[in-house]
Amino acid sequence: GAVVSQHPSRVICKSGTSVKIECRSLDFQATTMFWYRQFPKQSLMLMATSNEGSKATYEQGVEKDKFLINHASLTLSTLTVTSAHPEDSSFYICSAPRGTRGEAFFGQGTRLTVV
Amino acid sequence: AQKVTQAQTEISVVEKEDVTLDCVYETRDTTYYLFWYKQPPSGELVFLIRRNSFDEQNEISGRYSWNFQKSTSSFNFTITASQVVDSAVYFCALSEARAGNQFYFGTGTSLTVIP
Repeated sequence: GAVVSQHPSRVICKSGTSVKIECRSLDFQATTMFWYRQFPKQSLMLMATSNEGSKATYEQGVEKDKFLINHASLTLSTLTVTSAHPEDSSFYICSAPRGTRGEAFFGQGTRLTVV
Repeated sequence: AQKVTQAQTEISVVEKEDVTLDCVYETRDTTYYLFWYKQPPSGELVFLIRRNSFDEQNEISGRYSWNFQKSTSSFNFTITASQVVDSAVYFCALSEARAGNQFYFGTGTSLTVIP
């Protein structure tokens, strides 16, 4: 079964509204989680690193005020897309590393459509 | 610079043919991990294999096999006797120990198996 659960799997929202995506590690603690974005027919690109108990680290070109990340506990990270616009429509996926041997688990992904 | 290069953007093969997906990576770390993922149209990433930098043994799993060569920084993936269900986008990825299990994905290879 899935060890990282991401919710919702699909969301359609109106332009200007905010959308929250949850990423939860089910049977292990994750002090760090990663958020990736994938535009159609493109690769997955790291958006930000979520750190439990501290601020997230954003990649260059990613607006931190638009993509709010909260890592409130050792098993939950949330990504909120604020004031969403059609260009934010994309596939968002989180991952949580486990251990020190390169093991990481991905959520199921969230397909966001902003209309 | 691109850390993971998948030169083949799209490949089409006829069912039962063998197909090799190429992956070349770049890293200065001595400890790193290489992965292959399958992404069907649903978007979810399906884990196929993880290899660490100290293990160059080739691996075979059913119709899948992987050839890891540090000398050429390559980690190629071969599907033998391809089937229609193999049609998907395949991603090669690199994780560096010093980067905390952040993944660097290649651009993906879209494989179409024609019946």
